[in-house]
Amino acid sequence: AQSVTQPDIHITVSEGASLELRCNYSYGATPYLFWYVQSPGQGLQLLLKYFSGDTLVQGIKGFEAEFKRSQSSFNLRKPSVHWSDAAEYFCAVCVVTTDSWGKFQFGAGTQVVVTP
Amino acid sequence: EAGVTQFPSHSVIEKGQTVTLRCDPISGHDNLYWYRRVMGKEIKFLLHFVKESKQDESGMPNNRFLAERTGGTYSTLKVQPAELEDSGVYFCASSQDPGQGFVAYEQYFGPGTRLTVT
Repeated sequence: AQSVTQPDIHITVSEGASLELRCNYSYGATPYLFWYVQSPGQGLQLLLKYFSGDTLVQGIKGFEAEFKRSQSSFNLRKPSVHWSDAAEYFCAVCVVTTDSWGKFQFGAGTQVVVTP
Repeated sequence: EAGVTQFPSHSVIEKGQTVTLRCDPISGHDNLYWYRRVMGKEIKFLLHFVKESKQDESGMPNNRFLAERTGGTYSTLKVQPAELEDSGVYFCASSQDPGQGFVAYEQYFGPGTRLTVT
């Protein structure tokens, strides 16, 4: 069965420091992978996605993620965190059916706190 | 273009009452999804509409939940009667037709409806 694991429930990072959020997946086929962010009081916003090709993908707000098939990982990174990056981050894999429909399997989320 | 909208943003009801959540997808998106996040847990899939048809309702918890999408536009999710364990945030998402390639797997989420059952 497919699954997504975000090992870190909570991360605290200083403003200006780098950030890396871990995501591991278990999926039998080629994974379509996504990172979403939910800021306080907001909905889920798509940060970036991976379907195929270049394994390093760039997203919005200065985020990037690297797909590593050998490690079944899709970790999210940002070189320098801003206070506005405080939010909850979700990794997801799109489970594609034989009819080519897709539905998401999410990780439990990682809460990021940014300190001055 | 307008994003996915959901109404209400918050709902507080008593156990045994009925609540109806509404979702308006992005115009032109045939696919509409409902997800739910119970406090402290991951966001879980509930069901998927293609136009007005239920394509996959494998995530619906029980028969107290009824989803409809009449006319293939907006969707409603009714909980009747509500139980304490139904509390959580209900998200709606929409995406394009699979014939559009990879972009069809991009789901756009609404802000969610926070349901509290007391």
